Amino acid sequence: GENVEQHPSTLSVQEGDSAVIKCTYSDSASNYFPWYKQELGKRPQLIIDIRSNVGEKKDQRIAVTLNKTAKHFSLHITETQPEDSAVYFCAATWERASKIIFGSGTRLSIRP
Amino acid sequence: GAVVSQHPSWVICKSGTSVKIECRSLDFQATTMFWYRQFPKQSLMLMATSNEGSKATYEQGVEKDKFLINHASLTLSTLTVTSAHPEDSSFYICSAREAGLREQYFGPGTRLTVT
Repeated sequence: GENVEQHPSTLSVQEGDSAVIKCTYSDSASNYFPWYKQELGKRPQLIIDIRSNVGEKKDQRIAVTLNKTAKHFSLHITETQPEDSAVYFCAATWERASKIIFGSGTRLSIRP
Repeated sequence: GAVVSQHPSWVICKSGTSVKIECRSLDFQATTMFWYRQFPKQSLMLMATSNEGSKATYEQGVEKDKFLINHASLTLSTLTVTSAHPEDSSFYICSAREAGLREQYFGPGTRLTVT
């Protein structure tokens, strides 16, 4: 069945440094890849997404890259700030699919 | 932007009782709504997908007779946890999607504690 693997499960970086979270997906038909940020006890918030016809997308300090051949996609956060501390989830879905498959999550901590 | 609300935000109930959670799309028509369960420090696990006016599609391992889902209108879906047990204690989150669009918008979640 469909599966999304996410690594690492926890990540601690120094404030100002970059953070990278990686995901792989199993279904080659997947063509939409959103990333969510979830703070403790709150709802997941969509922070960036990418479609399969694009290799990279950037929005200020965050960027996502997609390698369709390898079925990998990654989230890059530059110049990290304390407010970036949260759990990040990658996800994948495909045309005509109803549901989104989530990765297992990465707990990102920013050290002051 | 699209807003999804959930009610209640938290609920405590006794074992054996039933609890109803509401999910509403406030500024758009949600043809599809999703119900997730999230245990502490874990990912969101999809429980079921509901389309307005039709029966919900449950994920493998989710008991449809225990988790009753109703999507009677384009702005409201309800999840009823019947005969709740302590192991049903969790964070329940809904999301909603408009017809033809892929983005899902999440509700704020409902924390259920069964004593």
